[in-house]
Amino acid sequence: AQSVTQPDIHITVSEGASLELRCNYSYGATPYLFWYVQSPGQGLQLLLKYFSGDTLVQGIKGFEAEFKRSQSSFNLRKPSVHWSDAAEYFCAVGPSGGSYIPTFGRGTSLIVHP
Amino acid sequence: SAVISQKPSRDICQRGTSLTIQCQVDSQVTMMFWYRQQPGQSLTLIATANQGSEATYESGFVIDKFPISRPNLTFSTLTVSNMSPEDSSIYLCSVRVSGEKLFFGSGTQLSVL
Repeated sequence: AQSVTQPDIHITVSEGASLELRCNYSYGATPYLFWYVQSPGQGLQLLLKYFSGDTLVQGIKGFEAEFKRSQSSFNLRKPSVHWSDAAEYFCAVGPSGGSYIPTFGRGTSLIVHP
Repeated sequence: SAVISQKPSRDICQRGTSLTIQCQVDSQVTMMFWYRQQPGQSLTLIATANQGSEATYESGFVIDKFPISRPNLTFSTLTVSNMSPEDSSIYLCSVRVSGEKLFFGSGTQLSVL
């Protein structure tokens, strides 16, 4: 069965600092990988996804993520965090093809200090 | 893309009552999903709702507790029946558009007293 681990429940950074949110997955084949962001009172919005090809994926809002098969990781990064990035971030893994339904991690809450 | 309108955005309910959550999509979609997001937990899929057929429930969720309607390709409802405080969660509807991309409603925050 597939699973996703986001080891950090909360991450606190200062505005302008760099950010890395960790995500590890367990899946028996080549996975589809996603990062979603949920702002307070909002639904989830897709930041980026990895299906195949280049392991460094660019997303919206200046985010990127790198797929590392050897480490079963798909960490999310941003070089300079803005106060508006404060939100809940979810990593998700899904099977490639078929009736795709993703499995979500528990989420990481990002707190941004001015 | 898809724009999803979910209502109500939040509600406070008494134990033993039921609440129906509505999800309206601005385009026709085959599959709609209902998720539960408990505090500090990941999103858990409740069921998949296809138009014209019975919803498919995940392990741990049953139709009597979470009946779902899917009368057409743009609308679905989820009812949380005979509520208890353990049902306090955020409930999210989601649709799949253009392959593996999911769009989510803004969620319904439910508190059961």
